[in-house]
Amino acid sequence: GENVEQHPSTLSVQEGDSAVIKCTYSDSASNYFPWYKQELGKRPQLIIDIRSNVGEKKDQRIAVTLNKTAKHFSLHITETQPEDSAVYFCAASRAAGNKLTFGGGTRVLVKP
Amino acid sequence: DGGITQSPKYLFRKEGQNVTLSCEQNLNHDAMYWYRQDPGQGLRLIYYSQIVNDFQKGDIAEGYSVSREKKESFPLTVTSAQKNPTAFYLCASRIPSRGGEKLFFGSGTQLSVL
Repeated sequence: GENVEQHPSTLSVQEGDSAVIKCTYSDSASNYFPWYKQELGKRPQLIIDIRSNVGEKKDQRIAVTLNKTAKHFSLHITETQPEDSAVYFCAASRAAGNKLTFGGGTRVLVKP
Repeated sequence: DGGITQSPKYLFRKEGQNVTLSCEQNLNHDAMYWYRQDPGQGLRLIYYSQIVNDFQKGDIAEGYSVSREKKESFPLTVTSAQKNPTAFYLCASRIPSRGGEKLFFGSGTQLSVL
């Protein structure tokens, strides 16, 4: 089955700096890669996703890049703000109807 | 917080006891999921159901059971066979989309052993 590894497990950045979280996956047939954000005491929420036919996707201050050859994808947060403090999870799946496999999560702390 | 309701928010289990976690959705979604969240281990899939009256084991199904008699409901029973049940349990449903598992999560149930 699919295995997703996520690094780092914790990340502390100064407000205004950038944050990068990296994930690797094992199943070369995976073609859908979402990112979820879980604020303290709240439910995980989808913040951005990318499919294997796209190399990069941006949404305001967040972006995701995908390298299919190396089987890794990354989340980039620019101009970090205190409200970006949360746990971020990457995930992978083959296609609609297939289950998601999550990474272990990254706790991001943005220091004012 | 509409959409998916999990109850109770906190649950305590005694040794040898079965407990059931409730998950109800009013989103008319076909697929529903149960995940277990432990610190530093991400979200691990327990069971999932693509349609009413059908469900499949996930990666850590041992010690758990589910039913899907109604589209709206997907309860999870943590049996006495689950020796380490203390965790945060999240229920989710799948948002219909073209290609990709977009999940909408409930607020979770924290289960602890007395």
